[in-house]
Amino acid sequence: DTGVSQDPRHKITKRGQNVTFRCDPISEHNRLYWYRQTLGQGPEFLTYFQNEAQLEKSRLLSDRFSAERPKGSFSTLEIQRTEQGDSAMYLCASSQSGISIHADTQYFGPGTRLTVL
Amino acid sequence: GENVEQHPSTLSVQEGDSAVIKCTYSDSASNYFPWYKQELGKRPQLIIDIRSNVGEKKDQRIAVTLNKTAKHFSLHITETQPEDSAVYFCAASTGASGTYKYIFGTGTRLKVLA
Repeated sequence: DTGVSQDPRHKITKRGQNVTFRCDPISEHNRLYWYRQTLGQGPEFLTYFQNEAQLEKSRLLSDRFSAERPKGSFSTLEIQRTEQGDSAMYLCASSQSGISIHADTQYFGPGTRLTVL
Repeated sequence: GENVEQHPSTLSVQEGDSAVIKCTYSDSASNYFPWYKQELGKRPQLIIDIRSNVGEKKDQRIAVTLNKTAKHFSLHITETQPEDSAVYFCAASTGASGTYKYIFGTGTRLKVLA
């Protein structure tokens, strides 16, 4: 499968625990994005990387959230001291930058569904 | 701030009829507008996109129109089929003039009745 992959697909945790999610982008893509989607809503932007540099973070991303992309390939999203409000689908997407002024087309992974009890 | 409004939130049509979903964006610097289809429990899948230098784009039964003056873009699905039933999201991005992130609408649940 050459698409974006995410692991795990489902995570159930207790409030206060730390969780980490992984995203593997399409191999030639240099941009990687994280979004959060709650039931009945569109995806909300969290952060994005170009290669290994984290270029933008949303105000939604509290200090309990941290993301890395150490070698410019896969990325991890960690949530510390989880809260019930963190329950959501966490989506990863990737894109390949071009010479156009327009944004790239983003391709999404299947998501990690987090449930915080 | 940046915002994308999407209407309607739900839409039911008879098989074979057309469906239209409308979005309005707030950031006049937006220049790329993708549409995604998301089936229950699955990833968002790109179905069509349009860039700000064109006003209309068509791909078989799906078309998108863009009115930059009104900051409005629409998805048109003709000859709807039961497999078109899903949630559809519009999005807007400013690209190099601002940021590459997408701002999504709240989604439209389309039901095609057989």
